[in-house]
Amino acid sequence: QSALTQPASVSGSPGQSITISCTGTSSDVGSYNHVSWYQQHPGKAPKVMIYDVNKRPSGVSSRFSGSKSGNTASLTVSGLQAEDDADYYCCSYSASSTLVFGGGTKLTVL
Amino acid sequence: EVQMVESGGGLVQPGGSLRLSCAASGFTFRSYEMNWVRQAPGKGLEWVSYISSNGYTIYYTDSVKGRFTISRDNAKNSLYLQMNSLRAEDTAVYYCARDGQLWFFDIWGQGTMVTVSS
Repeated sequence: QSALTQPASVSGSPGQSITISCTGTSSDVGSYNHVSWYQQHPGKAPKVMIYDVNKRPSGVSSRFSGSKSGNTASLTVSGLQAEDDADYYCCSYSASSTLVFGGGTKLTVL
Repeated sequence: EVQMVESGGGLVQPGGSLRLSCAASGFTFRSYEMNWVRQAPGKGLEWVSYISSNGYTIYYTDSVKGRFTISRDNAKNSLYLQMNSLRAEDTAVYYCARDGQLWFFDIWGQGTMVTVSS
């Protein structure tokens, strides 16, 4: 049950696009399409932004999109806005019916 | 309004026990799988445990197997986490999280803090 690998931080200016990667293994990201992404503001509970690799829950901005290639999933945020400044976590279903999170990425909107 | 409210957190000595509760409202609790997710201070999220809608299927992360027990009472719309033999590394905010029925967490509680320290 090793954590998925995410960059510690990414940054971008308002209006720009950024991509956060999430690298796992053939036992999790590479084998299942149950990859989800969560946004967390300081002191708040996480909020799901993407599930099943690229599906957006109702109410989540279309500026958020997800994709996957091999053992790596990605979250893209386009048209960066100040409120996107937060921590982002990926999560994947894994063999033996467990779930594993990434270490988290701090997105800074400059 | 769909919501979940955790309770039962607090300060406990190493080796001690604590029982967390999560009260759900605004949705048909008995129809959903549920999870516990924790977050150590300043650290990332860690999935802890899963329980199926009828309570018959349960999974744990390796670090809590044999020490933690997840359960639910569908008649009371409540989820529980019995934590025994607590260690300093169990110190975290514990969230109950509803499974969106596709192995993701669609609704989260506000969390309850557990501190294991002497």
